[in-house]
Amino acid sequence: DAGVTQSPTHLIKTRGQQVTLRCSPKSGHDTVSWYQQALGQGPQFIFQYYEEEERQRGNFPDRFSGHQFPNYSSELNVNALLLGDSALYLCASSFRTGVETQYFGPGTRLLVL
Amino acid sequence: AQTVTQSQPEMSVQEAETVTLSCTYDTSESDYYLFWYKQPPSRQMILVIRQEAYKQQNATENRFSVNFQKAAKSFSLKISDSQLGDAAMYFCAYRGNNAGNMLTFGGGTRLMVKP
Repeated sequence: DAGVTQSPTHLIKTRGQQVTLRCSPKSGHDTVSWYQQALGQGPQFIFQYYEEEERQRGNFPDRFSGHQFPNYSSELNVNALLLGDSALYLCASSFRTGVETQYFGPGTRLLVL
Repeated sequence: AQTVTQSQPEMSVQEAETVTLSCTYDTSESDYYLFWYKQPPSRQMILVIRQEAYKQQNATENRFSVNFQKAAKSFSLKISDSQLGDAAMYFCAYRGNNAGNMLTFGGGTRLMVKP
């Protein structure tokens, strides 16, 4: 039973570029959430996707957008990259929203130069 | 907005000893969930233990147990018989009953285990 997978594992971009990160949820899960974890800090919620729609959003600008596909996989897109976007991006999946526990992937380390 | 505070940036424990990690949170909700996650150097966040606020009994998972004090808004994690593999960052997290899947995390505590 595959857990949550994310790609790529590492990524280097320059300021102003755009980046797309990918996540495949754990088998049987239909809800995907994205978190940003800056170095030395706890993760911060970006947004959540369920039934191919953004259901909930944290305090992140519109430069952060996402998508969920019919197979429940998800993408996180960040436009006009800033140095401050350098972080570990974590994807978490669960079955439905609400009480179910979330399972996290290994993350994508993004470095913006 | 809910906030989660972990006041211990670093803790150390001798192998086989017991250590307690602290967490406090601020909320006006009466029904919610609390979690402890472990993040080893591999970066993957692993669920350690979960507590529902409506349950008075403290959750236990093998060597891991919590002390949940709802009135004090405190949620500490006790690790018994510490092992070298317990060394990691530990994050306390809160989820409101109407918050969907949104977790609010504390800043983390780095646990070192001495052989």
